[in-house]
Amino acid sequence: QQPVQSPQAVILREGEDAVINCSSSKALYSVHWYRQKHGEAPVFLMILLKGGEQKGHEKISASFNEKKQQSSLYLTASQLSYSGTYFCGTERIQGAQKLVFGQGTRLTINP
Amino acid sequence: GAGVSQSPSNKVTEKGKDVELRCDPISGHTALYWYRQSLGQGLEFLIYFQGNSAPDKSGLPSDRFSAERTGGSVSTLTIQRTQQEDSAVYLCASSLVRDTEAFFGQGTRLTVV
Repeated sequence: QQPVQSPQAVILREGEDAVINCSSSKALYSVHWYRQKHGEAPVFLMILLKGGEQKGHEKISASFNEKKQQSSLYLTASQLSYSGTYFCGTERIQGAQKLVFGQGTRLTINP
Repeated sequence: GAGVSQSPSNKVTEKGKDVELRCDPISGHTALYWYRQSLGQGLEFLIYFQGNSAPDKSGLPSDRFSAERTGGSVSTLTIQRTQQEDSAVYLCASSLVRDTEAFFGQGTRLTVV
C-alpha cells in the first residue's frame, strides 16, 4: 500500500526551511527518502529503520515516528540545489516486503 | 559495472508490438525492482525480485506485463501488445539486501505511437 506524502508541492525562497511528511496505514520497518531532479534518476538521501535514530545529511535530516507510522524530512536553510521532487519509500514489517513510494513532493527553491 | 545499467535508453514502438526492456543491476545486489513513472507522476511499483524467492508481481498492471531475472542478475521486463497508456519511463533499481540504499538506473523512456 502506497504511503501518502504531504504537501504535494512547496515553493520557497533560498534560505527558508521546509518539512515534507510521509505517512502509512501499515506498520513500517523502514522509510527511505530520495530526491529526483528533472530528467534524472532518483538519488538516495537516507534511510530510517524501525528502532533507529534520526538521520542527518548536510542540512537535510529526517525522523521516523514508529507509533504513528510517519516520517518527516526536514530541509533547513534551503539551497537552490535542493530543488526537485522528493519521494518517500516504505517497507512494511509484515506482508509484502517491497519498497513502495509515495506520489512525491515537488520542491521549488527560488533565489 | 559501476551502477545500474538499463537499455535501451529510449524506445519508440508501434501500438500492438512487443517490447523488451533490460536491467543490469549492480553486481552482488540481491534485490531488484521495476518501477514505472509517467510524465510528472510518482514511482509506480511493478515487480520485485529478492534473491531466489518467488518475485512479487503484485504491481504489474495487466497480464501483458511480465518480467524475469536470470541467474539472480540481469532482468528483462516484457510488455506484449503495447498500448499508448504504456508510454512512460521504466526505472530499474537494485539494492544489496532489503533495507539498504536502492540505486536507480537512468531508465528507459518508452513511447508507444
